[in-house]
Amino acid sequence: DAGVIQSPRHEVTEMGQEVTLRCKPISGHDYLFWYRQTMMRGLELLIYFNNNVPIDDSGMPEDRFSAKMPNASFSTLKIQPSEPRDSAVYFCASTQGLAGTDTQYFGPGTRLTVL
Amino acid sequence: AQSVAQPEDQVNVAEGNPLTVKCTYSVSGNPYLFWYVQYPNRGLQFLLKYITGDNLVKGSYGFEAEFNKSQTSFHLKKPSALVSDSALYFCAVRDNTDKLIFGTGTRLQVFP
Repeated sequence: DAGVIQSPRHEVTEMGQEVTLRCKPISGHDYLFWYRQTMMRGLELLIYFNNNVPIDDSGMPEDRFSAKMPNASFSTLKIQPSEPRDSAVYFCASTQGLAGTDTQYFGPGTRLTVL
Repeated sequence: AQSVAQPEDQVNVAEGNPLTVKCTYSVSGNPYLFWYVQYPNRGLQFLLKYITGDNLVKGSYGFEAEFNKSQTSFHLKKPSALVSDSALYFCAVRDNTDKLIFGTGTRLQVFP
């Protein structure tokens, strides 16, 4: 298995531009998570899906952030418009079974820099 | 609210010596506890978890963790550290909405 795949690995954009991050979970996993990691705030859960349905988006910081999961093998996290404070590493993770008790498999992350 | 605390930002240890990375938790009900490791420029990797059963949990790469209910701790340990163990270690707890709450992380530096 290729593991969780994220693209792009690095993204540099200018303030105000739209940014789309992509994630392909491990086949057969029914939970998908989006996290953000910064030095100041550590690792934060933004949103998670179960069977393609958003379950908890309470971590999404603002309306500028949106996430979708159109099918079991693909999810996107979009920031529009982007701001410098959105600069962070964004991780996608997936698991099968109960979200809180099963191992989460993390992708390599997307390092986002907003100038 | 469920939470974990990692009191040390960094732990330094010489290769071959035992290591301990500390974690304390606060939960209502039975705790589900996890350790993850993050190597540079990589995503987090699962090391071990405590759900129920034996208080000593064995995980990947020779790591183990001891669940101590009276001290509300779940410290990560390894008898003999390797330079390759140098990484960022995260403790996590399941909250009552079934999400994982991660600690702030502890950077482990193993010196040759």
